[in-house]
Order: sequence, then structure tokens, then C-alpha cells
Amino acid sequence: NAGVTQTPKFQVLKTGQSMTLQCAQDMNHNSMYWYRQDPGMGLRLIYYSASEGTTDKGEVPNGYNVSRLNKREFSLRLESAAPSQTSVYFCASRPRTGHGTEAFFGQGTRLTVV
Amino acid sequence: AQSVTQLDSHVSVSEGTPVLLRCNYSSSYSPSLFWYVQHPNKGLQLLLKYTSAATLVKGINGFEAEFKKSETSFHLTKPSAHMSDAAEYFCVVSDPGGDDKIIFGKGTRLHILP
Repeated sequence: NAGVTQTPKFQVLKTGQSMTLQCAQDMNHNSMYWYRQDPGMGLRLIYYSASEGTTDKGEVPNGYNVSRLNKREFSLRLESAAPSQTSVYFCASRPRTGHGTEAFFGQGTRLTVV
Repeated sequence: AQSVTQLDSHVSVSEGTPVLLRCNYSSSYSPSLFWYVQHPNKGLQLLLKYTSAATLVKGINGFEAEFKKSETSFHLTKPSAHMSDAAEYFCVVSDPGGDDKIIFGKGTRLHILP
């Protein structure tokens, strides 16, 4: 029972490089999310997808793009990485929008941009 | 739009004494509310959730939270702190009748004094 799987777990990028963070869930969930976590800021929503084929901006979307490839997978792309994007990134999923429906989280990707 | 405010960034209590972590929310609808915990260098674990079935919600490890609509609050309590409770705690809000966003507070770091 894998749940939400993120790859890679660690990554170091140089400024200006691009990369894609991968996320996959095996729980047949409709909704998926990408967050970044920085000290003292909690988790801030980057993008989310309420269903396959739809994506929406969250609180801090600038510098990122996403793709909901299918129901299982939701990727986050940094086209030109900047030091300000150094953070821990979490992917999450939940079955549907509904009262009391909690999200399930991956283990995170620690990204450092130098 | 929904939002959540955690009133204390750090809380220190002695082992065996009560814990109170405060959370206020803003929501246009009847909200879904959650508390998550994150131990150092670990992922996110659901402590409890408000589902509208009962205003007093019991969670894991002896934690409780009470939904107070008149005060727009969802404070987390525990009668007696244990050293293993030292962690960061996040209050989280979602609007089941609105968009599909899940919004985190900035977190409260709980320190347990021996």
C-alpha cells in the first residue's frame, strides 16, 4: 500500500536549471495538491487539481507549472530554478471534495537551488 | 476565500501539564477543519478532523479539538503533555462547498520541558 509517492527525495539544482518533481497516488483519489514548506511559513499551496484534466493556482504559483497527466499522476515543473525555490515540496491527494475529507501526503522532496 | 490563523508560533509546556494550541479560521461555508502533526524531519500525520457530526473531536494520542462557530475557533488540547508530543502542529481548513483548496496555518512548534 504505497499511498502517495514522490520522486526524487533529494535534489540539488544550479540556478537556471529545470526539473520536474513527480507525484503518484494509488488510492484512486480525485484531487491532488502541491505544497512548499519553508520555516515559519507552514505549507503553502502552489497548485492543485480537483480532477483529471483540471488544474488551478494556489497561493504561490509563480515560477511553477503543473501537469495532471492522468488520475494517478500530478507533476510539478520548475522551468528556471531560483535560490528562492529552495524548499521542501509535498504532494498530497484526497478522494473528493467533501466534508471532513482529509488529504494524504507524500514524504516530501528536499530541493536545494544553488 | 478560506484562511487559518495559528495564534502562537511557539508554545512551551512542562511534561504532564495541559497543552493548548490555538487556531482561528475564516470560511465562507461550513468548513472542514483538521489538525496535522509533523515530527522533526518527518512527514505529516493527521491528528483529528471536524466533520460536522460533533463539535468536540477526539484524535490520536489523547488530543482533542472543539469547533466553536461563534468564535470561529478550532483549538487543540491535550490534558497531559508527553515528551513525544514535541513537534510542529498545523491547523488546516477546507471549504467543501467552495473550491478544492486545502489551506494550512503557519504552524505552532510545541516544546516539552522536562
